[in-house]
Amino acid sequence: GENVEQHPSTLSVQEGDSAVIKCTYSDSASNYFPWYKQELGKRPQLIIDIRSNVGEKKDQRIAVTLNKTAKHFSLHITETQPEDSAVYFCAASNWNNDMRFGAGTRLTVKP
Amino acid sequence: EAGVVQSPRYKIIEKKQPVAFWCNPISGHNTLYWYLQNLGQGPELLIRYENEEAVDDSQLPKDRFSAERLKGVDSTLKIQPAELGDSAVYLCASSSGATEAQYFGPGTRLLVL
Repeated sequence: GENVEQHPSTLSVQEGDSAVIKCTYSDSASNYFPWYKQELGKRPQLIIDIRSNVGEKKDQRIAVTLNKTAKHFSLHITETQPEDSAVYFCAASNWNNDMRFGAGTRLTVKP
Repeated sequence: EAGVVQSPRYKIIEKKQPVAFWCNPISGHNTLYWYLQNLGQGPELLIRYENEEAVDDSQLPKDRFSAERLKGVDSTLKIQPAELGDSAVYLCASSSGATEAQYFGPGTRLLVL
């Protein structure tokens, strides 16, 4: 089955700096890669996703890149703000809808 | 449009007692998922439904866990009897189909004493 590894487990940046979170996956058949943001005590919220036929996708300050050959994908947050502080999860899913999540990255944006 | 609804939000029970969680997915979403999330970890799939059919329950501990989605809409997840190690957040999610975006409910936080 799919195995998703996520790094780093914690990340601290200054407000205005960029943050990058990286994930690798094992199943070459995976074709859908969402990213979720989870604030303390709240539900995971989908913030951006990318499919295997696209190499990069951007939505305002958030972007995701996918390297199918290397089987890794990354979340990029630019001009970070304190409200970006949360736990971020990557996930990978194959055609059979078998989705696996990474262990999460706790992002802290210091004012 | 309402998101995924779950109840109760919190539940405290003693070990060996039964407990049930309820989920109402986003209207029109045929695919429903139950996940378990331990503190500091990502969600782990317990069971996935396509309409009323459980198509992936390989991670569901069937000796004590059961689930149903009788009419292909609402779903119930049950634990009987609960054990201390079952303390976690139980998340329900729904999507419009396979490999489509999944949207999560607020979860049920279970504490087994």
